[in-house]
Parts: sequence; structure tokens; C-alpha cells
Amino acid sequence: QKEVEQNSGPLSVPEGAIASLNCTYSDRGSQSFFWYRQYSGKSPELIMFIYSNGDKEDGRFTAQLNKASQYVSLLIRDSQPSDSATYLCAVNTGGGNKLTFGTGTQLKVEL
Amino acid sequence: DAGITQSPRYKITETGRQVTLMCHQTWSHSYMFWYRQDLGHGLRLIYYSAAADITDKGEVPDGYVVSRSKTENFPLTLESATRSQTSVYFCASSELDYGYTFGSGTRLTVV
Repeated sequence: QKEVEQNSGPLSVPEGAIASLNCTYSDRGSQSFFWYRQYSGKSPELIMFIYSNGDKEDGRFTAQLNKASQYVSLLIRDSQPSDSATYLCAVNTGGGNKLTFGTGTQLKVEL
Repeated sequence: DAGITQSPRYKITETGRQVTLMCHQTWSHSYMFWYRQDLGHGLRLIYYSAAADITDKGEVPDGYVVSRSKTENFPLTLESATRSQTSVYFCASSELDYGYTFGSGTRLTVV
């Protein structure tokens, strides 16, 4: 079983809609959680991190964490075509600042 | 320029040759990482370093060697390249637990 699981997609949403991206992880001791965006042919870029249960908002992005359910999600409000990318969930599973990444969910925002 | 720089951007090498991928960061971040990214596997950790002269294996270290004599540099060497090492390689750095900043990547092809 992979330590960090994501649905590979593609997830298609119309422009202006809310995109919901989900991630589950297996290590109950994980303390920090990250979302990265990766455009095709580019390197991943950090968009959100969350440490505590609940919601964390930054502009159009909201990260949600539920440690009891071992679940982290990313909501993108008012989705734009420029949001079309692969979104990677990453979890600090082993300490030492090492991140384990999911395989990513491809998001397509359609006009 | 400030940031994290990888070189070369593209490399083609022959099976059995030694090749070194370079990574340089200007922030004096303590942590540096090497990941490879392959379709179906996502990002997998090869090696990481918590400080100069401190390195440790990640998930897929076989066939790779690293060194870190200076905080800012973290080269990755493939001692005898194999076709299975054809991949996109990303270097990243971080300080504490605030997420990584990735370099632009090196696309390596072993023929």
C-alpha cells in the first residue's frame, strides 16, 4: 500500500466551479502536509501547507486536514484555466524533513 | 541569482557511463534532496542531506552517490548509468518544515 494516495484523474471542472482534490495517507504519526502544483514540463511549486486539523485558507485555495481520518484535501474556488495542472499531495512521514509524495491528480479546468 | 539551480537541464548519456547532476542553492538551507520523477511512480526520494557532510539514503538509492562538502552544493552521481535511470531528476532544498523549493529539473536519458 502506497503511503500517500491520490486519484490520478483527470478531474475536469468548468471554469468558475470549485475543484476538490483529495489525498489519504497511511502514517498516523504524520505531522505536516503540503500541496504542490506542477505544470507539464515544469517543477513542482508549493501552494499550501497545513499542520493542524481543520481548514486553512489562502486566496482561492483552502487546505483541509482530518488527522483522525488520515485525509487531506485541497479546494480551489473560482477555478481558472490557468489552474489546469497536476496537484501533488506530500506528507512528512518519516521525520527529518523528508516528504513522501502522492502520484498526483491532474486537474483540467474547461472553458 | 538567488534560488536553486540544477545543471544540466538535459543530458543524454550511454549505458555504463558515469554522469553527475549538479544542484546549487543560494539560501543556505540546511536540507537538500534529490528526487526522481517517473510516470506511474511520482516523485521518489533518492538521497537527502540534513547539513554539510551529512547524507542519507531515501527510497531508491541504488546506483546513485551523493556528497555535500559545502552547504550550497549537493551533486548526484550515477556511477554506471543504466536505462532504468532514465528519468527527470529534481533537486530541492528546505529549511525546517516549511516545504521544499524545487530546482527546474534535469531530464536524463540513458541510451
